[in-house]
Amino acid sequence: GAGVSQSPSNKVTEKGKDVELRCDPISGHTALYWYRQSLGQGLEFLIYFQGNSAPDKSGLPSDRFSAERTGGSVSTLTIQRTQQEDSAVYLCASSLTSGSVDTQYFGPGTRLTVL
Amino acid sequence: QKEVEQNSGPLSVPEGAIASLNCTYSDRVSQSFFWYRQYSGKSPELIMSIYSNGDKEDGRFTAQLNKASQYVSLLIRDSQPSDSATYLCAVRNTGNQFYFGTGTSLTVIP
Repeated sequence: GAGVSQSPSNKVTEKGKDVELRCDPISGHTALYWYRQSLGQGLEFLIYFQGNSAPDKSGLPSDRFSAERTGGSVSTLTIQRTQQEDSAVYLCASSLTSGSVDTQYFGPGTRLTVL
Repeated sequence: QKEVEQNSGPLSVPEGAIASLNCTYSDRVSQSFFWYRQYSGKSPELIMSIYSNGDKEDGRFTAQLNKASQYVSLLIRDSQPSDSATYLCAVRNTGNQFYFGTGTSLTVIP
């Protein structure tokens, strides 16, 4: 596709349920980033992948959060036992490499609501 | 102390005026600096990136970086109503982590 895509666009779930969010980066982009944006807040960096590897997972807010990337393309962010404070827009971005001059392109985001 | 701090605004300027957006960061060894524009309900889009001290101009936008003062700014000349958005400052450290400010809301009044 022409840009980064994410699915679902909206997800409403009950507290305690697991959710899986998907990100399809731009074809050929080796670096992929996950962010979280709560209402009125800036973007919170969660994790980034270079290829299938995640060099730094320290941004993940708790051990209920995990992410993986397979085939150097699609990535999934999984949140187990969701809590109300997990409600936010989850944004994915990709760039050609992780080099400092590379531009990140953002997807449209997944709005997660935990009831 | 937050990694990246911005004045949340709102900042209002008349059409045609210069809008000045400011950002400070705490990590002295930060490598790369970015300004993103985010319209309500939309994803951020990159406006400017800057990596070395001084000014960088792109059309109506000028980014300014002062590493000694740990300060980065964005000037928007000849502001247009379509520039009304939230502007996010982002800083990338040597570990390839990105830190975003909470954004400054800009309104350009016709």
